[in-house]
Amino acid sequence: AQKITQTQPGMFVQEKEAVTLDCTYDTSDQSYGLFWYKQPSSGEMIFLIYQGSYDEQNATEGRYSLNFQKARKSANLVISASQLGDSAMYFCAMREVSYNTDKLIFGTGTRLQVFP
Amino acid sequence: DTEVTQTPKHLVMGMTNKKSLKCEQHMGHRAMYWYKQKAKKPPELMFVYSYEKLSINESVPSRFSPECPNSSLLNLHLHALQPEDSALYLCASSQDWGPTNTEAFFGQGTRLTVV
Repeated sequence: AQKITQTQPGMFVQEKEAVTLDCTYDTSDQSYGLFWYKQPSSGEMIFLIYQGSYDEQNATEGRYSLNFQKARKSANLVISASQLGDSAMYFCAMREVSYNTDKLIFGTGTRLQVFP
Repeated sequence: DTEVTQTPKHLVMGMTNKKSLKCEQHMGHRAMYWYKQKAKKPPELMFVYSYEKLSINESVPSRFSPECPNSSLLNLHLHALQPEDSALYLCASSQDWGPTNTEAFFGQGTRLTVV
């Protein structure tokens, strides 16, 4: 079974600064993918970025980038130039797929608060 | 358009009521999901529909009854719920069953309170 670990329950960052949210994972699969989602207080889960296990380069999407270290089994999210609207819960996830399942396995999440 | 629409956004129901949650997507996705999220916890899978057929039921109590009338719609029928069923119910869709490199898109969720 796959497992996602997020060890930072909460993080604070000042506006315009960069912040790194940690994620480690455990899987026996050779091919896998890692996802980051943002969940504001409104409840919607917003897809941010994806990293495949065979991708040679770290994924980037605008202000979001993923620091992928395969040997360490870590996939940390880096948010550059933080904005007040970045305040939210952030979940790291993997998709677990077999003949009888297809689900996202989430970590426990990190609550990010951006202050002026 | 990467939108999944859920209605209602908020629902308060008594333990003897029957209500339904609705979810709609127009991305042509063939896999649709219901997740349940308790406060301060990550989402947990309840059901998966693939090509309009129920593929996975994660041992969910029968007071929750899913339905997929067509490829764009997913319902969750609720009956005789308990206060501990109060949670955020999230609908999601994905292009297809299985590819580990394909993201799922979520709706805004329905915040359900059972009184």
